[in-house]
Amino acid sequence: GAVVSQHPSWVICKSGTSVKIECRSLDFQATTMFWYRQFPKQSLMLMATSNEGSKATYEQGVEKDKFLINHASLTLSTLTVTSAHPEDSSFYICSYKGFSSSYNSPLHFGNGTRLTVT
Amino acid sequence: SQQGEEDPQALSIQEGENATMNCSYKTSINNLQWYRQNSGRGLVHLILIRSNEREKHSGRLRVTLDTSKKSSSLLITASRAADTASYFCATDFGNTGKLIFGQGTTLQVKP
Repeated sequence: GAVVSQHPSWVICKSGTSVKIECRSLDFQATTMFWYRQFPKQSLMLMATSNEGSKATYEQGVEKDKFLINHASLTLSTLTVTSAHPEDSSFYICSYKGFSSSYNSPLHFGNGTRLTVT
Repeated sequence: SQQGEEDPQALSIQEGENATMNCSYKTSINNLQWYRQNSGRGLVHLILIRSNEREKHSGRLRVTLDTSKKSSSLLITASRAADTASYFCATDFGNTGKLIFGQGTTLQVKP
């Protein structure tokens, strides 16, 4: 199956700093990707959708200036949490839909990044 | 609010028993998918059932879909300790391809 590499797997940063999370598709080209966040023992909440070369579309309540998404190529997408605060501490997961996938196809997920802001 | 609601929230069974999880959703869908998540990890796709399908099997997994009731169930037969994980249903609607996840069921299979 499709392989998605997400890095780093965990990060601890100080309040006020920025953190970049990378998500790479290793064996396929991804035109559309989704970023989710997950609080402990809760479900995944969709943050934003982005298409390669276009601006991301953010879900209601997600601050686009705080969570910067760059879908620079068909194999790389980044999420930057700017001016992080303790309430941003969460588990962030990226996922891709494959290049030739119809809407009746699954997403391919990275292994997630555990962000802790102190 | 979340598109999908699941029950039970937590389920604890003995190895060898069957586990059933249910999912309800609110809007018309293209398909419904089930994913598994081991603690602290990403999600692994288990099975996808299209809106015009009623039942689907994959190994020890059986998924049903009732679009009139807007509900789905996931049955894991002959459970194993390695099945211990959280299970999420997710609905795909509209034309964006994005998935909206249910609250999940945490399954513990005791050896």
